[in-house]
Amino acid sequence: DTAVSQTPKYLVTQMGNDKSIKCEQNLGHDTMYWYKQDSKKFLKIMFSYNNKELIINETVPNRFSPKSPDKAHLNLHINSLELGDSAVYFCASSLLTSGRNEQFFGPGTRLTVL
Amino acid sequence: LAKTTQPISMDSYEGQEVNITCSHNNIATNDYITWYQQFPSQGPRFIIQGYKTKVTNEVASLFIPADRKSSTLSLPRVSLSDTAVYYCLVGENPGAGSYQLTFGKGTKLSVIP
Repeated sequence: DTAVSQTPKYLVTQMGNDKSIKCEQNLGHDTMYWYKQDSKKFLKIMFSYNNKELIINETVPNRFSPKSPDKAHLNLHINSLELGDSAVYFCASSLLTSGRNEQFFGPGTRLTVL
Repeated sequence: LAKTTQPISMDSYEGQEVNITCSHNNIATNDYITWYQQFPSQGPRFIIQGYKTKVTNEVASLFIPADRKSSTLSLPRVSLSDTAVYYCLVGENPGAGSYQLTFGKGTKLSVIP
């Protein structure tokens, strides 16, 4: 059973296109996140949703729009893709009432913008 | 959010104990110390979390001195499969307002046969 899954695993696209990455968790968690890991391996949080409500929205271009249809899903839509968007995007989930800073990460989506 | 400093890289031979130290001089009273492990092409994985003194689980031990300005992750008898990047994070626990995890650069551990 995959705890946190992301699709697609690889995404190669042209500049200017719009693309989406999907994330699903089957852990019963109430909070989900999107992270971006660039070529220097820095892992930065982008968004966080708790019970479908946005609770963290770091400084990211408004071309990035998260959507949470329910607690088990958090999708990331990116408009007008740019070269600098190339990175690995990780989805994660956690249970805020667990008392631990334990987030479960998905396998990542490697986005390449040409 | 407390800033953390850890070595960029470390090498160790198989079977040795590895200690990775993290400095967090401005740790706050409500902050916990958490360590994650990331293998190549995978997402980070939670290893251990502690507040003070010593915490041990099946994977590692975490030593935190009384002043809590640093912490040491101890991996007993490492194997090649322990080659990964290890991140030290400091922050409040979930439920404490707008908590978030801030990953630094991490320590790249290379285990040599």
